[in-house]
Amino acid sequence: QVQLVQSGSELKKPGASVKVSCKASGYTFTTYPLNWVRQAPGQGLEWMGLINTNTGNPTYAQGFTGRFVFSLDTSVSTAYLQISSLKAEDTAVYFCARGDYYAGNYYFGYWGQGTLVTVSS
Amino acid sequence: EIVLTQSPGTLSLSPGERATLSCRASQSVSSTYLAWYQQKPGQAPRLLIYGASSRATGIPDRFSGSGSGTDFTLTISRLEPEDFAVYYCQQFGSSPPIFTFGPGTKVDIK
Repeated sequence: QVQLVQSGSELKKPGASVKVSCKASGYTFTTYPLNWVRQAPGQGLEWMGLINTNTGNPTYAQGFTGRFVFSLDTSVSTAYLQISSLKAEDTAVYFCARGDYYAGNYYFGYWGQGTLVTVSS
Repeated sequence: EIVLTQSPGTLSLSPGERATLSCRASQSVSSTYLAWYQQKPGQAPRLLIYGASSRATGIPDRFSGSGSGTDFTLTISRLEPEDFAVYYCQQFGSSPPIFTFGPGTKVDIK
């Protein structure tokens, strides 16, 4: 069955960097794009962007350029989200989600369990 | 950029009641690109509805979606205890690719 398994919670100091992983299994990794979604404490869902798992080409949403980098290691079916120069406002749960395209419809059919990143001195 | 507005912000209902959740877009959205998700505390969102009205695999038929253009609705015909959660609508715009979520509607127990 399709699974997206993310790395564990992180506690980082302001100014540090963090790398969150999302390991896929149960399907051909390079067939579907991987999306990243942020959820700040008590807030809604915010789409950060996606990475084309076939070409490695990333697309970043407005507000997620510069400090945010999406990458892949297709040899282990894993996508990564790296955030540099962390700020307190980066404290959030970060989800990966598979972008499914079926019969003209586009949606996030499978989600990782989420990774809590806490930025605090 | 298309903005999604969901109403009400909170819906307080009792088990067995009908829930009607609204999602309005600032401009017309293709129905094929409108989805609904359910999120419970401490969990990842779960796909309920895609293409505005198609239920995802394993989703009970008490959940239904409808609408077109700028107005979309998620209906839960009879609330079960496990349905009390936050519901988000989402739309996809293709040029450039961008996904937008609504702010969510919380369905809580009255």
